[in-house]
Amino acid sequence: GAVVSQHPSWVICKSGTSVKIECRSLDFQATTMFWYRQFPKQSLMLMATSNEGSKATYEQGVEKDKFLINHASLTLSTLTVTSAHPEDSSFYICSATGLGPYEQYFGPGTRLTVT
Amino acid sequence: RKEVEQDPGPFNVPEGATVAFNCTYSNSASQSFFWYRQDCRKEPKLLMSVYSSGNEDGRFTAQLNRASQYISLLIRDSKLSDSATYLCVVNAPDSNYQLIWGAGTKLIIKP
Repeated sequence: GAVVSQHPSWVICKSGTSVKIECRSLDFQATTMFWYRQFPKQSLMLMATSNEGSKATYEQGVEKDKFLINHASLTLSTLTVTSAHPEDSSFYICSATGLGPYEQYFGPGTRLTVT
Repeated sequence: RKEVEQDPGPFNVPEGATVAFNCTYSNSASQSFFWYRQDCRKEPKLLMSVYSSGNEDGRFTAQLNRASQYISLLIRDSKLSDSATYLCVVNAPDSNYQLIWGAGTKLIIKP
C-alpha cells in the first residue's frame, strides 16, 4: 500500500517552454501533497504544500507564478514549470500524506533538464 | 546554523563492518525523527522512525538524545546494498505534517 506515482520520470525541454509533472496516490487518498526539489548533493527542499481543492502554500523564495500547482482531487496533484530555464533543471519529487502525521510517501521523482 | 546537520561523508567502509553516523537538529520542540535512505537518482525511502527509547530493526539501530539534540544511526554487518545516502529528518514543530531534511550522509560499502 501507499504507492505514489509520478510522471514523467525524466524530461528534457527547451528553454522557455513549460513542463507539467503529475503526482498520483494510487491506493490511498492524499489529503496533502508536497512538492520538493533537489539539486545534486543537496538536501530536499520543500517548494510547496497543496491540499485538495485549495490553493497551494509556497515556501519562501519559490515563485508561485512560475511553479503552478493544481491539486484537483485527493489522488492527483500537478506541478507545471512555466517558461523553464536551465537553472530550473533539477530533480522534482512529490510526496503524499494521509495515512498519519509525518508519514510521507514519495513518488519516484522527475528529472528535469532544460537546455 | 542549519536546522538539521549531517556530515556529508562519504564514509567508505568495508563490507561487514559496523558504521555509525549522527545528525543534530536545532529546534528542541521537534518531536518526530526519522532516517530515510536515498539511492542515487531515486526518491527517499523511509528506513526507520526514531523513538525516544531507541529502536532496532535488524542490522539497523537508531537512537535519540534529546538533551544534546542528536540522532544516530548504527548499521551492523554492512552489506554492499547498504551503499546509499542516509537522510536525517525531523518534523517542523509548528506544522502537523512538514518535515525538515538534512542534506544526507553518503555511505559507500566496499567489497
